Amino acid sequence: DTAVSQTPKYLVTQMGNDKSIKCEQNLGHDTMYWYKQDSKKFLKIMFSYNNKELIINETVPNRFSPKSPDKAHLNLHINSLELGDSAVYFCASSQVFGGSGTGELFFGEGSRLTVL
Amino acid sequence: LAKTTQPISMDSYEGQEVNITCSHNNIATNDYITWYQQFPSQGPRFIIQGYKTKVTNEVASLFIPADRKSSTLSLPRVSLSDTAVYYCLVGGPNSGNTPLVFGKGTRLSVIA
Repeated sequence: DTAVSQTPKYLVTQMGNDKSIKCEQNLGHDTMYWYKQDSKKFLKIMFSYNNKELIINETVPNRFSPKSPDKAHLNLHINSLELGDSAVYFCASSQVFGGSGTGELFFGEGSRLTVL
Repeated sequence: LAKTTQPISMDSYEGQEVNITCSHNNIATNDYITWYQQFPSQGPRFIIQGYKTKVTNEVASLFIPADRKSSTLSLPRVSLSDTAVYYCLVGGPNSGNTPLVFGKGTRLSVIA
């Protein structure tokens, strides 16, 4: 069983389109995250949800809208896609917010988005 | 926000011990130090976490001096499969330093 699973793994689309990436965790964790890793391999946090409530929103354009229907799911919807949105998007979860002390971050395999 | 500094890259031969040092001069009292490993086309994977002195698990050891302003990840007898990027994170609950910020990491290349 995959602990943190993301779909789709690959996504190729045209500029201006709207797309979604789904994430599910079966670890029973309360906190979930979205990270973006660009072509230079910098891994940046975008959002964090704790018990379905948004707790981190790191200067991300409002074209990006996370949605958490329940604790086990955190989906990422992106409107009006731009070339600069091309990246690998990672979903992660942790038992404790921040993953420190008693826990750690568990990452999915990533979703590679290519905007043409 | 606790900032970390690591070497950009390191090379090692198979079978050698590799030590990667991370500087975190403004670490807060409640902060932990956590290391992650990332293989190409995969998400980061937790390796080890510590608060002070030494922590050892089946994968690595983490050495933290008394002042906690740095830490060293030690990988014993590396193999080709240890080629990856290694990230040091610092933070903890109620410390104001979120342990969610990944720096540039250290790219370790293991050579046969």
